[in-house]
Amino acid sequence: DVKVTQSSRYLVKRTGEKVFLECVQDMDHENMFWYRQDPGLGLRLIYFSYDVKMKEKGDIPEGYSVSREKKERFSLILESASTNQTSMYLCASKWTGGAYGYTFGSGTRLTVV
Amino acid sequence: AQSVAQPEDQVNVAEGNPLTVKCTYSVSGNPYLFWYVQYPNRGLQFLLKYITGDNLVKGSYGFEAEFNKSQTSFHLKKPSALVSDSALYFCAVRDLGDDKIIFGKGTRLHILP
Repeated sequence: DVKVTQSSRYLVKRTGEKVFLECVQDMDHENMFWYRQDPGLGLRLIYFSYDVKMKEKGDIPEGYSVSREKKERFSLILESASTNQTSMYLCASKWTGGAYGYTFGSGTRLTVV
Repeated sequence: AQSVAQPEDQVNVAEGNPLTVKCTYSVSGNPYLFWYVQYPNRGLQFLLKYITGDNLVKGSYGFEAEFNKSQTSFHLKKPSALVSDSALYFCAVRDLGDDKIIFGKGTRLHILP
């Protein structure tokens, strides 16, 4: 089975800090995604990447950037954390083959104080 | 543009009773449809998918889903609910030829002992 690992389960950061959320997958998948999840809003796509050094904006990219230097690792960066970025962040990797579903990491619950 | 709707924010079912979590979708072509489950403070876990073929799809933990093309629905079902089924359930759709999956806002399922 594909494994998607997010480095931190819980994080608490201060307003204005630069925050890195890391995601690693172990199946050589090309497409990876970052979502944030908020109550009543479901999952919203922040950024996605379809190959090394390639990135595309999702629906809510403002205040975020991403890095994909190696195929297995996709990092989400909060350049200057704000309290409205307190959320659950989910990384996903897209299966290869015909099914094209996603495998998700366990999530990082980020609190910005 | 593709979309998915989960009309119920919450569903309450007594343990042992059958359960249904509703989902409707809109795509321009043939859909790929998915159900995911999320337990507290965890990522999303894949339950089942519909790609083509039999309209009744069986998945993990005794869940199944029925694809209905005329009603553009993909309702999640289980014949006999367990308290441990209590979780947040997401329906998702992917349009053929698109790399991105669109998620519904989620339905919280409460199984009452």
